Amino acid sequence: DTGVSQNPRHKITKRGQNVTFRCDPISEHNRLYWYRQTLGQGPEFLTYFQNEAQLEKSRLLSDRFSAERPKGSFSTLEIQRTEQGDSAMYLCASSPREEGAKNIQYFGAGTRLSVL
Amino acid sequence: LAKTTQPISMDSYEGQEVNITCSHNNIATNDYITWYQQFPSQGPRFIIQGYKTKVTNEVASLFIPADRKSSTLSLPRVSLSDTAVYYCLVGGHSSASKIIFGSGTRLSIRP
Repeated sequence: DTGVSQNPRHKITKRGQNVTFRCDPISEHNRLYWYRQTLGQGPEFLTYFQNEAQLEKSRLLSDRFSAERPKGSFSTLEIQRTEQGDSAMYLCASSPREEGAKNIQYFGAGTRLSVL
Repeated sequence: LAKTTQPISMDSYEGQEVNITCSHNNIATNDYITWYQQFPSQGPRFIIQGYKTKVTNEVASLFIPADRKSSTLSLPRVSLSDTAVYYCLVGGHSSASKIIFGSGTRLSIRP
């Protein structure tokens, strides 16, 4: 299967700890997105990469959140000093290069974070 | 931002055709309309995308009137496995941050 892969699938951490999630997009996709989803809500945009460049970042994103895509392939999302409000599903998606298809995204299964 | 409005929930029965309508009054000229399906504990899955008139693929049809201020996702002969949340999105052509999922429509299919 060459879909979007996210690891870990589940993460339980204590408040104040740092966590890092990894996303491996579909190999030929140059665009990568991170979203956060809470129960009963749709995914909320966090940040967007085109190749290794982080082109967009949500204004709602706390400075405790940082994302990287160092070689334009996999990406990591780090949350520092986690808070209980960070508990959510973190989704990664990728999309192909074709212009006009920017919002056809292929999602991973997500990483579910629980902050105790 | 092009905001969308969808029914919160819908119920139907196996074998029926289901139509979910989405309104997007502020759609921009360059915006496409895209629908996703999401099952519990999974990421959304792309269903269909269109710009105007009608688009059909192996799983659904998308009807878009001339003014493009709304769209209708049509699922023919639904089965229990179509129980999911369906999201209508517009935009994203110019900015990824303008892709807004909203709360979606929770579709429940009964035997």
